[in-house]
Amino acid sequence: EAQVTQNPRYLITVTGKKLTVTCSQNMNHEYMSWYRQDPGLGLRQIYYSMNVEVTDKGDVPEGYKVSRKEKRNFPLILESPSPNQTSLYFCASSSRQNNYGYTFGSGTRLTVV
Amino acid sequence: GQQLNQSPQSMFIQEGEDVSMNCTSSSIFNTWLWYKQDPGEGPVLLIALYKAGELTSNGRLTAQFGITRKDSFLNISASIPSDVGIYFCAGASDYLGGSQGNLIFGKGTKLSVKP
Repeated sequence: EAQVTQNPRYLITVTGKKLTVTCSQNMNHEYMSWYRQDPGLGLRQIYYSMNVEVTDKGDVPEGYKVSRKEKRNFPLILESPSPNQTSLYFCASSSRQNNYGYTFGSGTRLTVV
Repeated sequence: GQQLNQSPQSMFIQEGEDVSMNCTSSSIFNTWLWYKQDPGEGPVLLIALYKAGELTSNGRLTAQFGITRKDSFLNISASIPSDVGIYFCAGASDYLGGSQGNLIFGKGTKLSVKP
């Protein structure tokens, strides 16, 4: 089944403790992206990647890092999480072949205390 | 960053009614997408539009790509309870970082249907 898989689905952590949210897609998509969703703010793009080793900042990149060492994986790294990074995070992928319609993962709900 | 203005923010409708929502932007987009998000899930693509003036249907859903390339609307006909959810518009442009991968979302329209 074609899908975008995020892990974990839920995470509670403490301020300052480094964490990684993994994202993997099995569709050979070249584009991958991370969004955060907050009430009243919709989906805001954190980082995106056009292909392996090519990443760029979205609208809200502060406090986040990403890497794209393999085409299928696009992890989101929070080096020192803070409470304002409590949010619902979505990973998504797309390709030129499917005309850029993003396929989304099921989300990771992160709480930083 | 670039923004899409989506309206209305929320709406309550009677089952069987038609629904209309729209998105506008100050920038030109060459792709408009409409997504639906159910509670606890990621957004799912409903309709994709790639040409100015294009009108596309998917069952009871119809969406149009505005002639100016700065707006799009989504219509849902004869709404049913399972239409409940949040609908997002999204736009992509070659002018945003030179990549179609940079997809910008509206803030969503929350739809509630009275059975």
